Amino acid sequence: AQSVTQLDSQVPVFEEAPVELRCNYSSSVSVYLFWYVQYPNQGLQLLLKYLSGSTLVKGINGFEAEFNKSQTSFHLRKPSVHISDTAEYFCAVTSDTGRRALTFGSGTRLQVQP
Amino acid sequence: EAGVAQSPRYKIIEKRQSVAFWCNPISGHATLYWYQQILGQGPKLLIQFQNNGVVDDSQLPKDRFSAERLKGVDSTLKIQPAKLEDSAVYLCASNLIGGLAGNEQFFGPGTRLTVL
Repeated sequence: AQSVTQLDSQVPVFEEAPVELRCNYSSSVSVYLFWYVQYPNQGLQLLLKYLSGSTLVKGINGFEAEFNKSQTSFHLRKPSVHISDTAEYFCAVTSDTGRRALTFGSGTRLQVQP
Repeated sequence: EAGVAQSPRYKIIEKRQSVAFWCNPISGHATLYWYQQILGQGPKLLIQFQNNGVVDDSQLPKDRFSAERLKGVDSTLKIQPAKLEDSAVYLCASNLIGGLAGNEQFFGPGTRLTVL
């Protein structure tokens, strides 16, 4: 079984500042990792995913994340945020064996202030 | 290409009533998922279909929840009878072949259920 912990429920940040949203996971098998974004009253949209290879993954809207196997982390970063980045961000994990549905963290609300 | 469609978008019912949600996945997507997202939490899998067969329903409260995907395309999720704690957003997602781990899941807009 896998689990995901998003350490921050809310992250307030000023526009054009950098941001990091933290995600740690637990699994007894190899994992695949995802970040999704959810805007108000919308479904989830994939930002980026790590399957294998380079541990630094670039996604849409200028976001990137780094997979750290030793620390079981997959933190999401953006060097300069915009007001439009205000949304809920979910980290998720799945494995290549057994059940393949996603296990989600509880989410981090990113609030970008002018 | 059209995305995952869900209806209704909003539903308000009283406890002990019944409700049904509908999902039409992206054309050609063999795998369909229903997730429950309670306010302030991440989505939690209720049931996963591969074509019209159930792959995983271990977290579906089967005493009140049921789901079907008869022709391997559309799916319906039903709650009967509803409880207050069923208030949540119900998300449908789909992806291509066999639910491969790397396959991106595409999500619908969700149905927001309020049970009074």
